[in-house]
Amino acid sequence: QQQVKQSPQSLIVQKGGISIINCAYENTAFDYFPWYQQFPGKGPALLIAIRPDVSEKKEGRFTISFNKSAKQFSLHIMDSQPGDSATYFCAASDDYKLSFGAGTTVTVRA
Amino acid sequence: NAGVTQTPKFRVLKTGQSMTLLCAQDMNHEYMYWYRQDPGMGLRLIHYSVGEGTTAKGEVPDGYNVSRLKKQNFLLGLESAAPSQTSVYFCASRTGTGVSGETQYFGPGTRLLVL
Repeated sequence: QQQVKQSPQSLIVQKGGISIINCAYENTAFDYFPWYQQFPGKGPALLIAIRPDVSEKKEGRFTISFNKSAKQFSLHIMDSQPGDSATYFCAASDDYKLSFGAGTTVTVRA
Repeated sequence: NAGVTQTPKFRVLKTGQSMTLLCAQDMNHEYMYWYRQDPGMGLRLIHYSVGEGTTAKGEVPDGYNVSRLKKQNFLLGLESAAPSQTSVYFCASRTGTGVSGETQYFGPGTRLLVL
């Protein structure tokens, strides 16, 4: 079974709106939580990542919120743009392997 | 730098045929990985390697074999393809510090259709 559960499976947002993707995990040994972005026909690429010693990390319009006690983390895309339309994967790791969520397809309507 | 490259980009196989997918990286990375991506299931690890001459099983290794004869190359083999192996296959690599937090760099993928 997947070690990282991701929701929703897909979402549609208007240009300028906020996209929120949620992930949950059980393994408390995980100590690295990256988000990957994948465009159609391309391989995934690292977008942003966080360690559990901080509760939030922001890079431009992308923010990770992390709740260690709840074992949950989320990606917020502020001021969503059509170019953000992609599939987003959360992941978790405690060594050199990554466990991925099922992915969320984000569609930004102009 | 080309990064991570994969060959071929697309292939159609008949059930029972064999093939080899090639992954090459020019970043001198120690660790290499093979994933498969299926709708609604994310990326699942098939096999991985922590250095030249080493391989290990991942989450879904059945029906696949791998080899890492050269540091820069990681081959994924299907000895007898089955329709359940229809998928998009991604190769990735990263530096070999052995700890979490290092970025995995992905190739463009190989789309495989098994009839």
